[in-house]
Formats: sequence, structure tokens, C-alpha cells
Amino acid sequence: KAGVTQTPRYLIKTRGQQVTLSCSPISGHRSVSWYQQTPGQGLQFLFEYFSETQRNKGNFPGRFSGRQFSNSRSEMNVSTLELGDSALYLCASSPGTSGRAFSKGSYNEQFFGPGTRLTVL
Amino acid sequence: GESVGLHLPTLSVQEGDNSIINCAYSNSASDYFIWYKQESGKGPQFIIDIRSNMDKRQGQRVTVLLNKTVKHLSLQIAATQPGDSAVYFCAENSGGSNYKLTFGKGTLLTVNP
Repeated sequence: KAGVTQTPRYLIKTRGQQVTLSCSPISGHRSVSWYQQTPGQGLQFLFEYFSETQRNKGNFPGRFSGRQFSNSRSEMNVSTLELGDSALYLCASSPGTSGRAFSKGSYNEQFFGPGTRLTVL
Repeated sequence: GESVGLHLPTLSVQEGDNSIINCAYSNSASDYFIWYKQESGKGPQFIIDIRSNMDKRQGQRVTVLLNKTVKHLSLQIAATQPGDSAVYFCAENSGGSNYKLTFGKGTLLTVNP
């Protein structure tokens, strides 16, 4: 079974531009989460989508948005890029059949993709 | 490879030794904890998880210990191998959902042959 794929792997943008990153989850997985990873702040949760709906949201400004399509593929968009947005953006997929992984003894492991390295100049 | 942290705690061990990586979590309401391994240039990889109604869980060569009294989590790796060299993160579901994880800063494990 193919793993989580993210495109593009590397991206260079300038301040003020916008960017769209794509994530294709593992086949059959319905939950996609996005994380930002930086040396200073570490891994921080952005948002999670399940069945085309945003189910959980982190503490990022409105410039960060996302969406999920009917085939579970997800995109995240960052508008008006700032230098501080330079980071590795990771997505993780999971079967996601429950909002809480431990439901009736089951759990829903999150599988991470390799990430998209965004550099803002 | 990708840089995941410039000032991470580090642990250096000899091949074959046991490794213990520690993590202090933040939210006493968290009830699900996970350890991830991240190698250079890759995304985090699930190692083992534990629920708050347990204090110990074992996997293949790995054991996770949970001490809720002091909000402490540890990962023990038996017979550490060079392939175990990576950054290790603990994560908690402090937001109440297991799809909204709060990650620790990470520990860089280096295994010397």
C-alpha cells in the first residue's frame, strides 16, 4: 500500500505570495492532519480534516487554511507569506473513523508523509 | 537532510546499550501518548503509544513508561542499533482529540558503532 505523498517536496516563495501544498493520504484513510515543523517551535498542529470537514484546528492565524476533497486528498494554503512561515509542512493520514483514537479498543495511528519544505525569501 | 531542531537535548549511546529518552508532558487531562521517530529527510514515524489507564506498554525492543503523577513519559530502547539514530518526539492529545497532537521538542539520539 502506498504511503502518504506530499507535493511539492520543496518550494521557494517570496514574502506576500501565497502557496498551496498538497497531500494524498493512504488509500482508505479519511483523516488528514497538517503540522508545521520549525527549529524554534518544533512540530505544531495546524488543522485536521475528516470527510471534507475541518474537525480540529490549531492556533494559527487565518492566513493558514485548508480543505479536503471527496477522495480524501487535502490541500493547505498559506496566503500573504511571511519569512516566519519558512518550515517543513507535514501531513499525516489516519483511518480516522472516530474523533478519539481509542474507541471501543481501537486506535487510529497517524502516518506521516515526507513533508514539503517551504522557504520564504 | 532536514533539520528538525538546532538546540535539541541529545543522547549518545554505544551500539548494544539500552537507551532511555525522557519527556515531560504538559496537560494533566491528556489521555493518549505517542512516541515518534524522525530520521533526517523523513516525516515522523510511529513507534509506540500508550493510554493513560496504563503505566507501561511494550513493543519490539521498545517500552514506554507513563507516570501520570509527575506527568512524565519515557521511551526505553533495548540493544540500541545504529539504525535507531534519529530525533525522538513524544506527543500528547492535549486538545482532547487524538487527531490534534501536541509534540515535545524532541531528543536527538546518536548511536555510536
